[in-house]
Amino acid sequence: AQKITQTQPGMFVQEKEAVTLDCTYDTSDQSYGLFWYKQPSSGEMIFLIYQGSYDEQNATEGRYSLNFQKARKSANLVISASQLGDSAMYFCAMREGLIYNQGGKLIFGQGTELSVKP
Amino acid sequence: EAQVTQNPRYLITVTGKKLTVTCSQNMNHEYMSWYRQDPGLGLRQIYYSMNVEVTDKGDVPEGYKVSRKEKRNFPLILESPSPNQTSLYFCASKGLRYNEQFFGPGTRLTVL
Repeated sequence: AQKITQTQPGMFVQEKEAVTLDCTYDTSDQSYGLFWYKQPSSGEMIFLIYQGSYDEQNATEGRYSLNFQKARKSANLVISASQLGDSAMYFCAMREGLIYNQGGKLIFGQGTELSVKP
Repeated sequence: EAQVTQNPRYLITVTGKKLTVTCSQNMNHEYMSWYRQDPGLGLRQIYYSMNVEVTDKGDVPEGYKVSRKEKRNFPLILESPSPNQTSLYFCASKGLRYNEQFFGPGTRLTVL
């Protein structure tokens, strides 16, 4: 079974509008971490936001927020006020177990390609 | 500037010709990993290291070797590359007490 599922292979959003990228996860660990990374066409992996399994508040970083619904095992990324530079591939990832588990190994989803229209 | 560097960034080679992709980080991180990225599969961990001389297999280790003789360096070795190792490779590092993994710029490898 997939540990991280991103069901939207591609999405379009109008510039200045908000967009939600979906991510569901599967783990039996009580302690885990959820991450979102951005990969522009140049290929590098850019860290966006982190949510710990014990964090009660949803994480926010500027225009990015993580909508964490623990009971539903979902960790959706919300980008407010989309910009043309937000066009990229977005990956949801999970670290199972404690912070040092397997060197902090991340399990990645398949990615969602976001295109922002002017 | 805190960073993870990889070399080369692009490499085209032939089946069976041994190659090494270097990775270096300047953040004094204990943990380092190698991932490969393939379309539709996201990134998958190949090998990881939790400190000097401590390495272990990730999810897709077949056909790869690593070493960690110094804390800052974590080279990836393909002793006999095959076409199914054509991929985009990322090195990553992480501090002991921190959540974020820092990724290198990636190495695009083509094996003919």
